[in-house]
Amino acid sequence: GAVVSQHPSWVICKSGTSVKIECRSLDFQATTMFWYRQFPKQSLMLMATSNEGSKATYEQGVEKDKFLINHASLTLSTLTVTSAHPEDSSFYICSAREDFSAQYFGPGTRLTVL
Amino acid sequence: AQTVTQSQPEMSVQEAETVTLSCTYDTSESDYYLFWYKQPPSRQMILVIRQEAYKQQNATENRFSVNFQKAAKSFSLKISDSQLGDAAMYFCAYRDSGNTPLVFGKGTRLSVIA
Repeated sequence: GAVVSQHPSWVICKSGTSVKIECRSLDFQATTMFWYRQFPKQSLMLMATSNEGSKATYEQGVEKDKFLINHASLTLSTLTVTSAHPEDSSFYICSAREDFSAQYFGPGTRLTVL
Repeated sequence: AQTVTQSQPEMSVQEAETVTLSCTYDTSESDYYLFWYKQPPSRQMILVIRQEAYKQQNATENRFSVNFQKAAKSFSLKISDSQLGDAAMYFCAYRDSGNTPLVFGKGTRLSVIA
């Protein structure tokens, strides 16, 4: 099956710093990528949808200036958490869509902001 | 807006037995996709099975099968010959036929008893 990688798998940072998370589709081209946030024992919450070469579409309540998303190529999307604060600590998951039916997920990134 | 409901927060099954996880959804669309994803303790989302709404035949993937009832808007997952490795959170998800995001249910935590 298609593989989506995410890097880093976990990161600890100080409050006020920025963190960048990379998401790559390794063996397919993804015209659309999605970023999710997951709190413990909860379902995935969609943060934004990004299409290659276009600006990301953010879900209601997600601050676009705090969570910067760049989809520079058909295989790479990045999520930058700017000026991170402890409340941004969470598990972030990216997902890439290969075609109109299949969608694959990265292994996730655990972010801890001290 | 489309919604997905998983009414069983937790389920358990004896090893080698069969278990059925429930999922209902609400949509006014006639063409759409339905999915079951598995999230083990590693938190990697794994696609278990998918169903196209226009197909009357229920999807099957080895020990996993679905009971798709379009009129009732029901999409249950049956796991046969349950194995210890099946223990995980299971999420039901819906997507329109267009390039729209997945809508997830809240999940069902499945325990497998040896």
